[in-house]
Amino acid sequence: SQQGEEDPQALSIQEGENATMNCSYKTSINNLQWYRQNSGRGLVHLILIRSNEREKHSGRLRVTLDTSKKSSSLLITASRAADTASYFCATAPITQGGSEKLVFGKGTKLTVNP
Amino acid sequence: DTAVSQTPKYLVTQMGNDKSIKCEQNLGHDTMYWYKQDSKKFLKIMFSYNNKELIINETVPNRFSPKSPDKAHLNLHINSLELGDSAVYFCASSQVPKVGTQYFGPGTRLTVL
Repeated sequence: SQQGEEDPQALSIQEGENATMNCSYKTSINNLQWYRQNSGRGLVHLILIRSNEREKHSGRLRVTLDTSKKSSSLLITASRAADTASYFCATAPITQGGSEKLVFGKGTKLTVNP
Repeated sequence: DTAVSQTPKYLVTQMGNDKSIKCEQNLGHDTMYWYKQDSKKFLKIMFSYNNKELIINETVPNRFSPKSPDKAHLNLHINSLELGDSAVYFCASSQVPKVGTQYFGPGTRLTVL
């Protein structure tokens, strides 16, 4: 069954604004990852946050993880038109044999208008 | 230098045909994956191989058969193609089998007519 659910499904903002996307999941996880997919392209890894971490930064990206609420957020600051893409969260559920696969959400489609 | 490459990029074929998609990674990773992304952008894992050994086989029809001749290659063969097989298929690789960062190929858009 699907693990991650992103919210909102679509987001449209102006260049320079911040974009926040949320992800909720259902089971205990080893880590949570965010990926970006430009139209017609493969997914590109953005950031990985482990279950014992609460916040992580990478350039204009800030990811938070709240394991008690089983949720994560991705904040893109000072957005640019080039940030236009779909953003997916992916969780690594803990299984009996240890985490073995990523389970992806349906993504948030972000449009940054110039 | 392409890290994860797939061929072909587009594949249009008739129902009932058999087709293959090839994937190669030059990252030296031990683990490779096949994913299917449907028309609603939902991405689901199909198979995973670690050092040529199958470690994940999700509920996929047995018309789909992955083959890993060596740890740098993971091919996907599909028999008796059906309309519902139309999707974008992504290959990916990772260094850590216990789910680290994954590196994706550009995808193969399969259209079954």
